[in-house]
Amino acid sequence: AQSVAQPEDQVNVAEGNPLTVKCTYSVSGNPYLFWYVQYPNRGLQFLLKYITGDNLVKGSYGFEAEFNKSQTSFHLKKPSALVSDSALYFCAVRDPRSGTGGFKTIFGAGTRLFVKA
Amino acid sequence: ETGVTQTPRHLVMGMTNKKSLKCEQHLGHNAMYWYKQSAKKPLELMFVYSLEERVENNSVPSRFSPECPNSSHLFLHLHTLQPEDSALYLCASSQVSQGLSGANVLTFGAGSRLTVL
Repeated sequence: AQSVAQPEDQVNVAEGNPLTVKCTYSVSGNPYLFWYVQYPNRGLQFLLKYITGDNLVKGSYGFEAEFNKSQTSFHLKKPSALVSDSALYFCAVRDPRSGTGGFKTIFGAGTRLFVKA
Repeated sequence: ETGVTQTPRHLVMGMTNKKSLKCEQHLGHNAMYWYKQSAKKPLELMFVYSLEERVENNSVPSRFSPECPNSSHLFLHLHTLQPEDSALYLCASSQVSQGLSGANVLTFGAGSRLTVL
């Protein structure tokens, strides 16, 4: 069965410092991987995805993520955090091979990021 | 806001009430979804509709009844809910295609915050 783990409920970082939000996944085969962000009173917004190719993918707002197949991880990173990055971040995975895999995106529990000025 | 509009944004209902959540997408997508978001838990996929046909139903209690009259509208009918059903209900849409370029990125609405008394 597909699953996503976000081991940290909360990450605190000072503005200007690099940030990492961790994600590991479990799915057979080659997964599609995603990061979404949720600001207060808003729905989730797409940040970036890994489908195939270069293991380092770049997304919106200066975020990037690195796909590591051997460690089954897809950590989200940003070189210099902003206060406005404070939000709830969700990692997600989909196995495109499963019967209705085109539709079944599985999400983690989310990691709350606090960036202090 | 995001191309996916949900109403109402907030709903308080008693356990014997009947109410409905509405979702409308203006993106021309061919799939629509209901997710349940509870604090510190992974997003739970409830229902998926593709081209107005239900393709996924994740063992959701029958007190939740979805309806998809056309590709732009999705409803979630609520009846005799329990207090543990209190959560944020998120609607999403996507364009599902067979090729790798599709990726099936989800666009979410802002959610309907449901409180069951």
